[in-house]
Amino acid sequence: ETGVTQSPTHLIKTRGQQVTLRCSSQSGHNTVSWYQQALGQGPQFIFQYYREEENGRGNFPPRFSGLQFPNYSSELNVNALELDDSALYLCASSPMGVAGAGELFFGEGSRLTVL
Amino acid sequence: ILNVEQSPQSLHVQEGDSTNFTCSFPSSNFYALHWYRWETAKSPEALFVMTLNGDEKKKGRISATLNTKEGYSYLYIKGSQPEDSATYLCAFTSNTGNQFYFGTGTSLTVIP
Repeated sequence: ETGVTQSPTHLIKTRGQQVTLRCSSQSGHNTVSWYQQALGQGPQFIFQYYREEENGRGNFPPRFSGLQFPNYSSELNVNALELDDSALYLCASSPMGVAGAGELFFGEGSRLTVL
Repeated sequence: ILNVEQSPQSLHVQEGDSTNFTCSFPSSNFYALHWYRWETAKSPEALFVMTLNGDEKKKGRISATLNTKEGYSYLYIKGSQPEDSATYLCAFTSNTGNQFYFGTGTSLTVIP
């Protein structure tokens, strides 16, 4: 069974640039959630995708957008990067449409540094 | 914004010591409380999910309890080992949405 994989693991961008982060969900999982962990903070919910549709969104501006593909892999796109976007971005997949009492299966994250 | 708090922020214990951490969460609209273990350079892994007031879960030397009425959960580690060194995250899910609300974690270092 293949776990959740994320790419790239590390990247450096400058303010104003755009970035795309990728996530392959665990086999059999149709739901992907993205979380941002800034320094000293717990992971913060960005959004969730279920069967290619956005299924919940946290308190993040529209320049954070996402996609889910028919194979349930997902992308997180961030436009007009700001210094505060520097963080670890975690992708998590789950076998259900609603997280609820289910378990999230996390990747190792993509660490983004914005200069 | 729902607030989940964990204490202490960090903890250093000697090998063989027992320890415990606290997670505080809103007592309204409760659905589930989750504990995750996150080793450095790895991905967070689920330890427990608890849904009922009074729930107690155990996995080896690690156990957890839940009080939904007062909004807290304890995680206990008995006879800590160096391999227990990790950050322990708790997360709350409500019955009004599908997002996990994470605390900032407790970083545990077990000194051999």
